[in-house]
Amino acid sequence: GAVVSQHPSRVICKSGTSVKIECRSLDFQATTMFWYRQFPKQSLMLMATSNEGSKATYEQGVEKDKFLINHASLTLSTLTVTSAHPEDSSFYICSAIVRETEAFFGQGTRLTVV
Amino acid sequence: GENVEQHPSTLSVQEGDSAVIKCTYSDSASNYFPWYKQELGKGPQLIIDIRSNVGEKKDQRIAVTLNKTAKHFSLHITETQPEDSAVYFCAASPYNNDMRFGAGTRLTVKP
Repeated sequence: GAVVSQHPSRVICKSGTSVKIECRSLDFQATTMFWYRQFPKQSLMLMATSNEGSKATYEQGVEKDKFLINHASLTLSTLTVTSAHPEDSSFYICSAIVRETEAFFGQGTRLTVV
Repeated sequence: GENVEQHPSTLSVQEGDSAVIKCTYSDSASNYFPWYKQELGKGPQLIIDIRSNVGEKKDQRIAVTLNKTAKHFSLHITETQPEDSAVYFCAASPYNNDMRFGAGTRLTVKP
């Protein structure tokens, strides 16, 4: 299957700082990537759809100024959590679409804000 | 939009037994139904998928069935092994790739 690499796998940051998470498609080009957030023992919640060369589409209730998404190339999308607070602590996962519908996921990033 | 419901939320079986997880969806436009396995601290991994023009698909010990009329699909794992223990998510996706996930099922296979 296709490989999606997400980095870092774990990050701890102080309140008020910003954290950048990278999502790369290693063996294919992804014009569209998705960013999800997952709380403990819960399902994946779609945050935003990242489109190469254009602005991301955010789901209702997701603050676009807080969760900055940049999809500057066909193989890289980044999610920046700005001015992070403890309530932003969560597991963030990206995915990319292959063959029009099949989604492959990154390994996820465990963000802890202290 | 699409709404996916998944049952049960937890499932415990004895090694060697079968496990069945069921999902229902609401959007008749959905045409792609993947199943993901998620181990602790990792991203979901695609284990099997089915498209709306197929009723059943099998891959070794894993099978998925789809009933489009009733809008439900199921995951079947036979001869379960302890390494099958994980959280399983179903998902449904219409043509616009707006994939929605079920709440997940925590499967425990007891040796």
